Amino acid sequence: DAGITQSPRHKVTETGTPVTLRCHQTENHRYMYWYRQDPGHGLRLIHYSYGVKDTDKGEVSDGYSVSRSKTEDFLLTLESATSSQTSVYFCAISDPDRDYTGELFFGEGSRLTVL
Amino acid sequence: KQEVTQIPAALSVPEGENLVLNCSFTDSAIYNLQWFRQDPGKGLTSLLLIQSSQREQTSGRLNASLDKSSGRSTLYIAASQPGDSATYLCAVSSNAGGTSYGKLTFGQGTILTVHP
Repeated sequence: DAGITQSPRHKVTETGTPVTLRCHQTENHRYMYWYRQDPGHGLRLIHYSYGVKDTDKGEVSDGYSVSRSKTEDFLLTLESATSSQTSVYFCAISDPDRDYTGELFFGEGSRLTVL
Repeated sequence: KQEVTQIPAALSVPEGENLVLNCSFTDSAIYNLQWFRQDPGKGLTSLLLIQSSQREQTSGRLNASLDKSSGRSTLYIAASQPGDSATYLCAVSSNAGGTSYGKLTFGQGTILTVHP
């Protein structure tokens, strides 16, 4: 298994509170991604990073921010959580510099419930 | 905008059957196509990856094919087993170049049940 750890794995919070999800990898991969998975929508890209301090938006970035101060950590922050952000969040990694195929490896997911 | 469709949405088969899962995509300018398996409450496990220049990939009882010109991929599972029961997801990476690696577009998945 790819060395990807997501924390927390489960979280229940209230509307309006800030939430930070953490993704930690031990593979030294350059690219890291945050996806969310919802019934009826499948998995959708929120934000991604292609290096330390280098990030960009994905398809559903509104209401989310990210930070990457170290190669191994990619943080996803919900500044003020809303019920529409109730979802399962997946972190993924890849490194096309070492693996030209661009294969992605996923973490176990973080289930967030916003009441 | 790339769109990925998987058919059927659900499939129930008896153990031992050979089966085919289908994936179609609207934009043929892809970098690669990945098939994933997802067990309930778990993350995604990569099964097979096909580069845009390739026609098929095989791993054990799994074979994935790619017809880029028609925008289709199939995942063939031979001699299915109850342990194959899971959701199978197809995802494509569009050939946008630059820093766009890993920007996958996913299908909704096929829920496979293999009963003894």
